[in-house]
Amino acid sequence: RKEVEQDPGPFNVPEGATVAFNCTYSNSASQSFFWYRQDCRKEPKLLMSVYSSGNEDGRFTAQLNRASQYISLLIRDSKLSDSATYLCVVTIQGGKLIFGQGTELSVKP
Amino acid sequence: DGGITQSPKYLFRKEGQNVTLSCEQNLNHDAMYWYRQDPGQGLRLIYYSQIVNDFQKGDIAEGYSVSREKKESFPLTVTSAQKNPTAFYLCASSVNRGGNQPQHFGDGTRLSIL
Repeated sequence: RKEVEQDPGPFNVPEGATVAFNCTYSNSASQSFFWYRQDCRKEPKLLMSVYSSGNEDGRFTAQLNRASQYISLLIRDSKLSDSATYLCVVTIQGGKLIFGQGTELSVKP
Repeated sequence: DGGITQSPKYLFRKEGQNVTLSCEQNLNHDAMYWYRQDPGQGLRLIYYSQIVNDFQKGDIAEGYSVSREKKESFPLTVTSAQKNPTAFYLCASSVNRGGNQPQHFGDGTRLSIL
């Protein structure tokens, strides 16, 4: 079983749609959680950290369920510019980051 | 501007040749990392360094070497022992290697075999 698993997609959605990504992790001692965005052939960029109480940044909402060991990212009112691969990232003991393989999102006009 | 600079952007290697990828940061970060990304896969950790003159192997260190002589610089050498070097190489840094520190990435080097 992979340490961090994501649905690879692709998710093809129309502009304005709401889309949700889920990510599961296997290490119950995982400490910190992040969502990164990676555009085609570019480096990953930090989208947002994920806090236990859930957090929102504009159209983006991240949630963490420690009991079930999953993280989610919700994108509301999706834009063409949201098209990218979204990486779920988990930190384990010692600060090591474990990356999921990413979920591809394609927003169509 | 503060950031992480990787060079070159594209690199071609002949069989049996060692090549070195450059990574420089001016963020005053203590920790630096090298990852490899293959198509359709997540990032895999090659080496990391928490402080000058110290570095540790990651999950796939075989065929690679690093040095950390200066805080700002963490070059990666892909040796001839790395039999499948074609990949996208990403350097990252963080304030330290604490559990809640996100990492920030350079824009990567694409390495290909001639």
